[in-house]
Amino acid sequence: DTEVTQTPKHLVMGMTNKKSLKCEQHMGHRAMYWYKQKAKKPPELMFVYSYEKLSINESVPSRFSPECPNSSLLNLHLHALQPEDSALYLCASSQVLGRWDDTEAFFGQGTRLTVV
Amino acid sequence: TQLLEQSPQFLSIQEGENLTVYCNSSSVFSSLQWYRQEPGEGPVLLVTVVTGGEVKKLKRLTFQFGDARKDSSLHITAAQPGDTGLYLCAGGKSSGDKLTFGTGTRLAVRP
Repeated sequence: DTEVTQTPKHLVMGMTNKKSLKCEQHMGHRAMYWYKQKAKKPPELMFVYSYEKLSINESVPSRFSPECPNSSLLNLHLHALQPEDSALYLCASSQVLGRWDDTEAFFGQGTRLTVV
Repeated sequence: TQLLEQSPQFLSIQEGENLTVYCNSSSVFSSLQWYRQEPGEGPVLLVTVVTGGEVKKLKRLTFQFGDARKDSSLHITAAQPGDTGLYLCAGGKSSGDKLTFGTGTRLAVRP
């Protein structure tokens, strides 16, 4: 099983709503990532969890709140978002953080988020 | 800031043509990866290069890592419509480091 599963696939939310994005992997990977991707742009790193601890926060606004309840799950809690936050949100996992010479990042299909 | 610049940004070619995509940086990377992303999907790894000067071939795709490990190229021979997508290079500097993506090259191959 080399799948990273993200739910929901599509989400429309108002600026006052609270919603959560979910990500799951069963490959035994100990590093998990959230990326944001705007149309026709490369993915931008938001957060990295390593062994269920937040390792990297790329100065993301506090209206995005990540959570890693266990080694298989990664959530992204959303609150009071702005229309400019509309994007494709990608989750990824890798065996461990770093060691990119012999590991790869596996990506989910993403959640397409629209903030209205 | 680790910056990986890709060129060209966009390429539209006819089926059967050859093309080269470049990925350049002023920083040294311990390894460089190439991913392809199709619409509505997440990126998928194509190859990892780790040794300066290394050349790897994957069917019609040839990847090269620069001698100084600051740049890489992807050459596609006889492009097919199925090659259409967003090509991303990505680099990591050392153990424990995040993966940084390049600026991306959007390829469209016309039948």
